[in-house]
Amino acid sequence: NAGVTQTPKFRVLKTGQSMTLLCAQDMNHEYMYWYRQDPGMGLRLIHYSVGEGTTAKGEVPDGYNVSRLKKQNFLLGLESAAPSQTSVYFCASSYIGTGGRAKNIQYFGAGTRLSVL
Amino acid sequence: AQKVTQAQTEISVVEKEDVTLDCVYETRDTTYYLFWYKQPPSGELVFLIRRNSFDEQNEISGRYSWNFQKSTSSFNFTITASQVVDSAVYFCALSVKEYGNKLVFGAGTILRVKS
Repeated sequence: NAGVTQTPKFRVLKTGQSMTLLCAQDMNHEYMYWYRQDPGMGLRLIHYSVGEGTTAKGEVPDGYNVSRLKKQNFLLGLESAAPSQTSVYFCASSYIGTGGRAKNIQYFGAGTRLSVL
Repeated sequence: AQKVTQAQTEISVVEKEDVTLDCVYETRDTTYYLFWYKQPPSGELVFLIRRNSFDEQNEISGRYSWNFQKSTSSFNFTITASQVVDSAVYFCALSVKEYGNKLVFGAGTILRVKS
């Protein structure tokens, strides 16, 4: 059981380039999230999704777009990368259903280290 | 305000010592969840425990124990007989109702366990 898988693990971009970060989860979780982790600022929510085909803005959405075309995948896009987007990006997913599994626990991927030069 | 405070920036202990990591939270929600996550040097975030606001029973899991006190808004984490492999950054987090139950993280406590 892989859990939450993020690709790529590392990436270096030049200012103005675009890229997409992929998050895949195999736990059939409804909710998915993208956070960024910066020194001294902790983790901040960029965008989230409460189900297939729906996305919503988090605390720091500017400069990012997301899509969730399939329940198991949540993509984070940077259309025109800026040095301020240098960060470690984490994807997470959680179960909020009515079954017997523990709810509302966010499981995280291993992170993507992005540098924008 | 929805906030998590981890006042200890860094703690260093010698192997086999017990260590307690402090966490204080603020929330306007009447029901909520609290979490501890571990971030080892490899960088991933590992879920350790979840506690809901209506269950103040303390929990022990192996060398780990958690003390939740609603009256003082604290959710402290103790490692007994620490080991070098416990060296990591530990984050306390609060689940809030907005933004799809997003997590509000504390700043983290760096734990260094020396042999």
